Amino acid sequence: LAKTTQPISMDSYEGQEVNITCSHNNIATNDYITWYQQFPSQGPRFIIQGYKTKVTNEVASLFIPADRKSSTLSLPRVSLSDTAVYYCLVGDSNYQLIWGAGTKLIIKP
Amino acid sequence: EAGVVQSPRYKIIEKKQPVAFWCNPISGHNTLYWYLQNLGQGPELLIRYENEEAVDDSQLPKDRFSAERLKGVDSTLKIQPAELGDSAVYLCASTPGGQSSDTQYFGPGTRLTVL
Repeated sequence: LAKTTQPISMDSYEGQEVNITCSHNNIATNDYITWYQQFPSQGPRFIIQGYKTKVTNEVASLFIPADRKSSTLSLPRVSLSDTAVYYCLVGDSNYQLIWGAGTKLIIKP
Repeated sequence: EAGVVQSPRYKIIEKKQPVAFWCNPISGHNTLYWYLQNLGQGPELLIRYENEEAVDDSQLPKDRFSAERLKGVDSTLKIQPAELGDSAVYLCASTPGGQSSDTQYFGPGTRLTVL
């Protein structure tokens, strides 16, 4: 099973692009990568999911290199409301789900 | 559409007392998860249901924890007796079912404090 490792915390400023990288060295071929966002006193909320290369939606992009040993969540032009904890999750088709410990992102004005 | 509902939101009990948490998933969602989340950590799976069947309870401490989802809709997680180390947030999530990669929809959680 893949173990996920994320930075404990990061900070940035409003309007900047933020990249959070998750390491998952032992990821298997068909494992998927998902990122969730969590605000205080709330449950995690889905941001984006992918298997390889690049995925983009209305709120974020997910970059996965060819070896898939890491993935990078990219948040464009962050605002104060993006201050939250971001979790990387690696899962397989058998419901083996490995959550990272989360990255606390603080956005400053 | 209503999201995942959990109650209570907060619970404070003394050690050795019993406690129960309730979860009502999104309507039509067949898969239900109970997670434990310690401060500064990611969620840890306790049990997963497919309809009324507990298909993965390998991480559930069965000496004190129990869960049920009798009609395949709402679910209850119980701890008896509670220990100091059980203080955590208990999260419930649901998905439509069918694939592990389905987006999980989480409730707000129940914050348990054991004194």
